[in-house]
Amino acid sequence: AQKITQTQPGMFVQEKEAVTLDCTYDTSDPSYGLFWYKQPSSGEMIFLIYQGSYDQQNATEGRYSLNFQKARKSANLVISASQLGDSAMYFCAMRDAYSGAGSYQLTFGKGTKLSVIP
Amino acid sequence: NAGVTQTPKFQVLKTGQSMTLQCAQDMNHEYMSWYRQDPGMGLRLIHYSVGAGITDQGEVPNGYNVSRSTTEDFPLRLLSAAPSQTSVYFCASSYSGDGQISGNTIYFGEGSWLTVV
Repeated sequence: AQKITQTQPGMFVQEKEAVTLDCTYDTSDPSYGLFWYKQPSSGEMIFLIYQGSYDQQNATEGRYSLNFQKARKSANLVISASQLGDSAMYFCAMRDAYSGAGSYQLTFGKGTKLSVIP
Repeated sequence: NAGVTQTPKFQVLKTGQSMTLQCAQDMNHEYMSWYRQDPGMGLRLIHYSVGAGITDQGEVPNGYNVSRSTTEDFPLRLLSAAPSQTSVYFCASSYSGDGQISGNTIYFGEGSWLTVV
């Protein structure tokens, strides 16, 4: 069974500093995808970044980058130059390769609450 | 393009009442899912559908029913609401494409806050 672990319930970062949110995963499937979502206080789930298990390079999207270490089964999110608007819950999620019905479902971690300090 | 639309956004139910959370998408996605989010638990899969007429259970299906009569709609029914079903519910839809996994192909609704008293 798939499992996502986020070991940091809460994190603080100074505005304009970089922060790393940890995510480790466990799967027996060789083909999988890893996602990070942001959930602000308003509640919606905002997609941030995606990394495929066979992608050669670490994913980047603007100020977000994913530090993918396949051998360690980790997929940490790095936010550079933190902004006050980055204060939110952040979820790591995974789904396995398309191998039949239900394989487009996500397994989520419990989340990390990030607070950006002015 | 409305994306994934959930209604209602907020609902208060009494124990034992039934209700339906509506979910509609206009992107012609085959895959639709319902998740619930509880404090400290992340999102957990309730039910999912891989196409019209096909549904299956996820991790926490007890107390919920679903049906998929059309590609666009995937309602979630609470048959007899219990306080343990107080949660935030998210509907999501996905495009299968050519079977390749791609980050942007999972779309979430804005969530439905349900309180059972």
